[in-house]
Amino acid sequence: QVQLQESGPGLVKPSETLSLTCAVSGYSISSGYYWGWIRQPPGKGLEWIGSIYHSGSTYYNPSLKSRVTISVDTSKNQFSLKLSSVTAADTAVYYCARLYYDILTGSRYDYWGQGTLVTVSS
Amino acid sequence: EIVMTQSPATLSVSPGERATLSCRASQSVSSNLAWYQQKPGQAPRLLIYGASTRATGIPARFSGSGSGTEFTLTISSLQSEDFAVYYCQQYNNWPRFTFGGGTKVEIK
Repeated sequence: QVQLQESGPGLVKPSETLSLTCAVSGYSISSGYYWGWIRQPPGKGLEWIGSIYHSGSTYYNPSLKSRVTISVDTSKNQFSLKLSSVTAADTAVYYCARLYYDILTGSRYDYWGQGTLVTVSS
Repeated sequence: EIVMTQSPATLSVSPGERATLSCRASQSVSSNLAWYQQKPGQAPRLLIYGASTRATGIPARFSGSGSGTEFTLTISSLQSEDFAVYYCQQYNNWPRFTFGGGTKVEIK
């Protein structure tokens, strides 16, 4: 059973950097697939932040690209998100998820973490 | 960016009735569309991928159809546990997989 668990500070000050980690169990990140971060502002919809492959190859949402860094640590079987220069607009529940892919059926986020609320406030 | 538009925003349905949710893409996404269910305080749960294939463990009352730009999620007979928010997501435009705004299915 694949499980993902987000961790990190629940409160970040404006202009600082938000840092979250997603620990994966039940599947080795090195075995493949992309791993992604998605966020959801309170009462709103889902927004893709970015994705990373075990090799370190990354893709970012163009609207956040200048502030986002996603990295992977295969030795710890986890990947991380850093979002710099945060504002109140970055307040959201942040989810990590596995981006499954196969050539016949394409991609989808099949396993998700429970999510962690990050509030940006002084 | 491919924009996904869901309608209606809220759907009021009685238990046991059929619910039909719509999702429209701003350009063709072929059959590269997934549906997710989200309950309050929970992460989204994958229901459908490939526009019409149920994910593992998803009851047969959930069905998806469509291709190109028009898609439908049908819940044939709503159960109490089905009242939730449903999102569509396109995965045709790698890697920027955009979500729709969601449809809330509430008890009538």
